[in-house]
Amino acid sequence: EVQLVESGGGLVQPGGSLRLSCAASGFSFSDHFMDWVRQAPGKGLEWVGRVRKKANSYSTDYAASVKGRFTISRDDSTNSLYLQMNTLKTEDTAVYYCARVGLNWNFDYWGQGTLVTVSS
Amino acid sequence: DIQMTQSPSSLSASVGDRVTITCRASQDITNSLAWYQQKPGKAPKSLIYAASSLQSGVPSKFSGSGSGTDFTLTISSLQPEDFATYYCQQYKTNPLTFGGGTKVEIK
Repeated sequence: EVQLVESGGGLVQPGGSLRLSCAASGFSFSDHFMDWVRQAPGKGLEWVGRVRKKANSYSTDYAASVKGRFTISRDDSTNSLYLQMNTLKTEDTAVYYCARVGLNWNFDYWGQGTLVTVSS
Repeated sequence: DIQMTQSPSSLSASVGDRVTITCRASQDITNSLAWYQQKPGKAPKSLIYAASSLQSGVPSKFSGSGSGTDFTLTISSLQPEDFATYYCQQYKTNPLTFGGGTKVEIK
């Protein structure tokens, strides 16, 4: 069974940093691109960014709203995905989901999400 | 960026109704479109990919159609478990973008 479990969310002050993790199991993690998607309270879904697999040089892409502040990485040896968030803003407050990019390019599996609150 | 526009933003329907949700892309995305269902407090769930292909395990009451810029998600006979918010998403080009969502409520 495919499982994605996020952790690391919490309350952080504006300008602060936080690192989210996503533990993957039940599939060959190294064979998949992995993404982060967020959802502000009461709002819709917003793509955050992607990390590709080793064959694609672990290259990354980011939404303009987070580029230069957020970094996505992965550790295939531990089946883990990470989101390093720096210089956090109040508008980064959201539930952050990790999502697996399926063979058909949609997000075929999602984690349960972890809440990040940026507030003084 | 490709803008995805869903309509309506909300609708009220009864159990057994046929429901259609529309998604329009601001430029041609061929068939690079997915649909997701999200219930309150839960993660989104994949329903449809490639505009019309059913995700494994999803009941056949869900169907998708369209190509280019105009797409639809249809629920053939609405059941209590189908009351949720539905999102379309394009994966033709980065940045990936979602529609604003359609909330399906009980009439």
